[in-house]
Amino acid sequence: RKEVEQDPGPFNVPEGATVAFNCTYSNSASQSFFWYRQDCRKEPKLLMSVYSSGNEDGRFTAQLNRASQYISLLIRDSKLSDSATYLCVPSGRDDKIIFGKGTRLHILP
Amino acid sequence: DTGVSQDPRHKITKRGQNVTFRCDPISEHNRLYWYRQTLGQGPEFLTYFQNEAQLEKSRLLSDRFSAERPKGSFSTLEIQRTEQGDSAMYLCASTYGSQSGYTFGSGTRLTVV
Repeated sequence: RKEVEQDPGPFNVPEGATVAFNCTYSNSASQSFFWYRQDCRKEPKLLMSVYSSGNEDGRFTAQLNRASQYISLLIRDSKLSDSATYLCVPSGRDDKIIFGKGTRLHILP
Repeated sequence: DTGVSQDPRHKITKRGQNVTFRCDPISEHNRLYWYRQTLGQGPEFLTYFQNEAQLEKSRLLSDRFSAERPKGSFSTLEIQRTEQGDSAMYLCASTYGSQSGYTFGSGTRLTVV
């Protein structure tokens, strides 16, 4: 089983819609979880941390399900500027973070 | 200190040449990581340092690759006898704790011709 699995997409979503991504991770010992956003040919940037109780930051909501080992990201009222690749990132051994391929999101005008 | 900086931003080299990249992490971050990313893939872990100690190297890091962090501050990644398959974006990231997430530099884009 891969360490991180995400649907690569692309998700083509009209502006203003709500979109959700899930990812699964294999390392049950992971303690910290993050969503990163990566624009084309740019570096990944931290979007938000994911807490056990779930957390919200504006239009973005992240959830963690430790029992099932998956993480979700919900984007409400999507904007054109949300178009990017979203990377689900659990920390691994020694806090090393392992990336999957990410999920590509295209917001359509 | 505005973030993680990497130098150069772009490097074009001929096959067989050696190249060296530099990463300056955020000053209070004690952990520094190198990743490599090719088109359509997520970043792949290469190696990481805690202060000056190199704690782990990926199997992706062949003998042609070496990384140092001599004083626990900046780090260098050297690739000897470059091959076309080395063409990628090389990303550096730093952190001071797992719960704070990583800050990435803008990367060095290597093209081997």
